Amino acid sequence: DAGVTQSPTHLIKTRGQQVTLRCSPKSGHDTVSWYQQALGQGPQFIFQYYEEEERQRGNFPDRFSGHQFPNYSSELNVNALLLGDSALYLCASRPRFRGAWLDEQFFGPGTRLTVL
Amino acid sequence: GQQVMQIPQYQHVQEGEDFTTYCNSSTTLSNIQWYKQRPGGHPVFLIQLVKSGEVKKQKRLTFQFGEAKKNSSLHITATQTTDVGTYFCAGPGSGGYQKVTFGTGTKLQVIP
Repeated sequence: DAGVTQSPTHLIKTRGQQVTLRCSPKSGHDTVSWYQQALGQGPQFIFQYYEEEERQRGNFPDRFSGHQFPNYSSELNVNALLLGDSALYLCASRPRFRGAWLDEQFFGPGTRLTVL
Repeated sequence: GQQVMQIPQYQHVQEGEDFTTYCNSSTTLSNIQWYKQRPGGHPVFLIQLVKSGEVKKQKRLTFQFGEAKKNSSLHITATQTTDVGTYFCAGPGSGGYQKVTFGTGTKLQVIP
């Protein structure tokens, strides 16, 4: 049973460029969340997708957008890259939210994005 | 907005010593989770606490949720080198249970 997978592992871009990161959730999971983790910081929630729609969004500008496909995989797109976008981008999956609290999330290995 | 702070930020301990990290939220949490992130790795779920005053144990790890559900702690007894990593607490963010807010993290270094 494969866990959460992400691609690519590493990526180097220059300011102003656009980037697309990909995530495949753990088998049986239909909800995908994206996080940005700057060096030495905790993960920051970007947004969450299920049923192919963005359901919740953190405090990130519109330059950050996403998509979820019918097979539950997801993409994170970042436009007009800034130096401050350099970070580890983590994808996490979980079964659909069904109760009054969170369920365990399974994180992928992340994509290390460097913006020069 | 909601803030989740952890102290200490860093902790160096001699192998065999105990370790505790504290998590404090600016708002009441319906539940709290703990994650461990090894150097160069990704967060791995450890446990979830739901009830006020709840205490859960996993071998040498003891997790506690405060009575007011605004704070939590993780205590490791007799640390081992395998305990090295950063420990994060996380809870539902303001504005929706799906918006997870992670704490600032405590980085643990164990000296053999």
